[in-house]
Amino acid sequence: AQSVAQPEDQVNVAEGNPLTVKCTYSVSGNPYLFWYVQYPNRGLQFLLKYITGDNLVKGSYGFEAEFNKSQTSFHLKKPSALVSDSALYFCAVRDPYNFNKFYFGSGTKLNVKP
Amino acid sequence: AAGVIQSPRHLIKEKRETATLKCYPIPRHDTVYWYQQGPGQDPQFLISFYEKMQSDKGSIPDRFSAQQFSDYHSELNMSSLELGDSALYFCASSQGQVGETQYFGPGTRLLVL
Repeated sequence: AQSVAQPEDQVNVAEGNPLTVKCTYSVSGNPYLFWYVQYPNRGLQFLLKYITGDNLVKGSYGFEAEFNKSQTSFHLKKPSALVSDSALYFCAVRDPYNFNKFYFGSGTKLNVKP
Repeated sequence: AAGVIQSPRHLIKEKRETATLKCYPIPRHDTVYWYQQGPGQDPQFLISFYEKMQSDKGSIPDRFSAQQFSDYHSELNMSSLELGDSALYFCASSQGQVGETQYFGPGTRLLVL
């Protein structure tokens, strides 16, 4: 079965500091990996995805993620956090054998303090 | 740019009532997905449609049904509502299926009393 894990329920970081939100995956076959952000009472917003190609993927709002096949990880990063980045972040994997299915991680709440 | 539209945004129903949620995908998107997100939970896949045909089914209760219409909008019909159906229901759309990004709507918050 395909799955993603987000080991941290919450990440706290000071504004201006770099942030990392962790995600590991378990996929049979080539992974299609995504990051989404959810603000309170809002839908999920697409940040970035990895399908193939460069391991470092750049996305919206200055976020990037690094695909690491040997560690089966796809951590989300940003060099300098903003208070407005505070939200819930979901890692997701698309089933390579059934593209209709997305599997989401449990979410990580990012708190950026001024 | 146009986004996925969902209506209504909020819905309050009583137990055993029915509800219909609507989803209007991004123009030219032919695939629609429905998800249920309980409080503090990650989104759970319910069902999807590609070119007006059901393409996959997840953890959708038998009390729920859905369809995609000729204009590609989709409706999720929920009958015999239970308290546990209270959740945020998301619709997402994509163009095609292979490796494509799903774009999510704002969700419909359903409260069953």
